[in-house]
Amino acid sequence: NAGVTQTPKFRVLKTGQSMTLLCAQDMNHEYMYWYRQDPGMGLRLIHYSVGEGTTAKGEVPDGYNVSRLKKQNFLLGLESAAPSQTSVYFCASSRLAGGGYEQYFGPGTRLTVT
Amino acid sequence: ELKVEQNPLFLSMQEGKNYTIYCNYSTTSDRLYWYRQDPGKSLESLFVLLSNGAVKQEGRLMASLDTKARLSTLHITAAVHDLSATYFCAVDMDSSYKLIFGSGTRLLVRP
Repeated sequence: NAGVTQTPKFRVLKTGQSMTLLCAQDMNHEYMYWYRQDPGMGLRLIHYSVGEGTTAKGEVPDGYNVSRLKKQNFLLGLESAAPSQTSVYFCASSRLAGGGYEQYFGPGTRLTVT
Repeated sequence: ELKVEQNPLFLSMQEGKNYTIYCNYSTTSDRLYWYRQDPGKSLESLFVLLSNGAVKQEGRLMASLDTKARLSTLHITAAVHDLSATYFCAVDMDSSYKLIFGSGTRLLVRP
């Protein structure tokens, strides 16, 4: 039971390049999320999904796209990377359990855009 | 708009001392979560508080929730160096599956 995994762990991009971050969970969770974390700040929600085939915008969606073709996977795409997207990206998943939606986090992807 | 504020943002304390971290939020919610993050690592769930008056304890940490005051506290008893980390609180947005996180409290426990 691996929980939530993320690929890759590190990446360096040049401005204008594109890439996809992959998140996978093996807990059969309905909900999945992408966050970014910048130094000295909390987590900000980029996009989220409430089930296979559905996605929705979070707090800071501009410059990102997502897809959830399979329940266990949630992809985050950057079409044209910008230095402002340098950040640590965390994926999380959750389900309703005991009245709450405790989120389980992946190990993170550290992205640098030069 | 739901806002979550933590204070202090940075806390340096001596081993053996007690202290409390505060988490205030701006709208009605009865579900609050505490997470721990070690430097360069991911977030680890500490406590899930699901009702007014909820209290959870694990080792030297105790969390409580007062939904009427829109306040949660994380109390540290007799701090040890291993507790050094950043602690985040998060609140359900509109009692949904989306969380809004505070900015975090960086805790440093000195010998």
